[in-house]
Amino acid sequence: DGGITQSPKYLFRKEGQNVTLSCEQNLNHDAMYWYRQDPGQGLRLIYYSQIVNDFQKGDIAEGYSVSREKKESFPLTVTSAQKNPTAFYLCASSDPGLATYEQYFGPGTRLTVT
Amino acid sequence: AQSVAQPEDQVNVAEGNPLTVKCTYSVSGNPYLFWYVQYPNRGLQFLLKYITGDNLVKGSYGFEAEFNKSQTSFHLKKPSALVSDSALYFCAVSLSGSARQLTFGSGTQLTVLP
Repeated sequence: DGGITQSPKYLFRKEGQNVTLSCEQNLNHDAMYWYRQDPGQGLRLIYYSQIVNDFQKGDIAEGYSVSREKKESFPLTVTSAQKNPTAFYLCASSDPGLATYEQYFGPGTRLTVT
Repeated sequence: AQSVAQPEDQVNVAEGNPLTVKCTYSVSGNPYLFWYVQYPNRGLQFLLKYITGDNLVKGSYGFEAEFNKSQTSFHLKKPSALVSDSALYFCAVSLSGSARQLTFGSGTQLTVLP
């Protein structure tokens, strides 16, 4: 899982509560990403950030928010507006400046909302 | 828009036999192609990539993949499967020159039988 940490590994929340998932990287990568994984659907992009203080919506941004105040940190907030928040959430990073292109993934956070 | 198809949800192979996990893609330009592997409740691990050059690329753990532009395919192969290869495999595509956004296939569960 490289130099990306996600905490906690498991998270339980009641419906109607906002929850923030942590993602930290020590790879000195400029770009960071949040994906959602559901069984049989692969990974879907929620938000991404190419540089500090800048981020863009991905394919399924509704009900989520992010911030990028520091290069190493990209927290994701799952708001009460997200209709089906229970999922496995994966954070990733990459360095667009290098000719490598692959993304490095954290270990994931499994969120259960009841 | 770019897309990836993994036509098989499940692939079973006997230990020692060759394995193939299929992937086809659709992009409107030159693709960057990736294979990742995921073990239960873990993040994704990078296996290999095609950016340019030789159509046959070799990656981690003895895996290789062949880029076929005419068939828009990027099948993952290994000459001799191990039980420890059992995992969920994802193919992903990124459009060259883009913001390095990855589009993932739905995943193929590989089971290697002893």
